[in-house]
Amino acid sequence: GAGVSQTPSNKVTEKGKYVELRCDPISGHTALYWYRQSLGQGPEFLIYFQGTGAADDSGLPNDRFFAVRPEGSVSTLKIQRTERGDSAVYLCASSEGKLLTQYFGPGTRLTVL
Amino acid sequence: LAKTTQPISMDSYEGQEVNITCSHNNIATNDYITWYQQFPSQGPRFIIQGYKTKVTNEVASLFIPADRKSSTLSLPRVSLSDTAVYYCLVGEGYQKVTFGTGTKLQVIP
Repeated sequence: GAGVSQTPSNKVTEKGKYVELRCDPISGHTALYWYRQSLGQGPEFLIYFQGTGAADDSGLPNDRFFAVRPEGSVSTLKIQRTERGDSAVYLCASSEGKLLTQYFGPGTRLTVL
Repeated sequence: LAKTTQPISMDSYEGQEVNITCSHNNIATNDYITWYQQFPSQGPRFIIQGYKTKVTNEVASLFIPADRKSSTLSLPRVSLSDTAVYYCLVGEGYQKVTFGTGTKLQVIP
């Protein structure tokens, strides 16, 4: 079956611009996670959804970051007024169970010039 | 969330068994131990999960002592394709997840 997909795979933008990153989870998975990974570091938790609601958004670094999952499936991570420090790989994962078994997408590499 | 500690890096020759140990002294009663593998330019991939004693699948084995304060991921007869970063996570699921920096395994021909 289809795994988690993320689009675009690469995004280059200029400082100050707005970007949207999309995640299509595995069908039927109720939980969806967003992470950010910088070079040489492990994935850094941003937010997770249980259904349509954000169950924990404590990892979002500031109010420029926002994520939605309006129908409990596809999710969009939105970053306003991008900064060079936002450059990283943004990973999405989905899960169907309550254990830490998450299925990751390939990530979106964001570069802010 | 229980904090985990694992070696930053390890080297191994092809064909050898590799054991990566993770410490998690503050593991809670309901926590499970989960290991992920990550190749460059890919998202992490679930390898194995366990609660106590030993778990084995087609990829690896996971050994958990009775006090559950540590766990050991065992990779039998590694090949060059096992070169990756391995992460140990502890938790109950449906929660904020902390990956840490993981263990970078380099398999040498």
